[in-house]
Amino acid sequence: EAQVTQNPRYLITVTGKKLTVTCSQNMNHEYMSWYRQDPGLGLRQIYYSMNVEVTDKGDVPEGYKVSRKEKRNFPLILESPSPNQTSLYFCASSAGRQPQHFGDGTRLSIL
Amino acid sequence: SQELEQSPQSLIVQEGKNLTINCTSSKTLYGLYWYKQKYGEGLIFLMMLQKGGEEKSHEKITAKLDEKKQQSSLHITASQPSHAGIYLCGGGSNYKLTFGKGTLLTVNP
Repeated sequence: EAQVTQNPRYLITVTGKKLTVTCSQNMNHEYMSWYRQDPGLGLRQIYYSMNVEVTDKGDVPEGYKVSRKEKRNFPLILESPSPNQTSLYFCASSAGRQPQHFGDGTRLSIL
Repeated sequence: SQELEQSPQSLIVQEGKNLTINCTSSKTLYGLYWYKQKYGEGLIFLMMLQKGGEEKSHEKITAKLDEKKQQSSLHITASQPSHAGIYLCGGGSNYKLTFGKGTLLTVNP
């Protein structure tokens, strides 16, 4: 089954403790993206990647890092999380001119 | 940067009624994507429109993109409780999308 898998689905952590949210897709897609969704602000793109070793900033990249060492994986790294990064995060992938497939989301709470 | 404005922000309809959600872009759209989201869950792709004047339908949902490629509408005919959720329009390329803030649809039985 074609899917985008995010882990963990839920995480409660504390300020400053480094964390990684993993994203994996099994569709051999070139493009992958990370978004965050916040009430009143909607869905905003954090980073995207057009292929292995090619990444670029989206609209809200501050406080996040990404890497794309393999085509299927696109982890999101929060080196020093802060409460304003509490949000619902989505990973997505796509290929060619096709629409993005989204994962089920990761709900992150930073205390 | 591109901005997408959706209207209305929320909508409550009686089952069986028709409804329309609008999406307006500040710039010409390269592509327009409609997604549906159940609260707190992932986004489900509905339709993609790329050509001015294009119209697509799937079951009871029809989406249109105007000739100038700056406005799109999503129309649901004879709404059902299963149509309830948040509808999001996204514009841009297939890898870099800007989304509207969404329209929350409630369908009362």
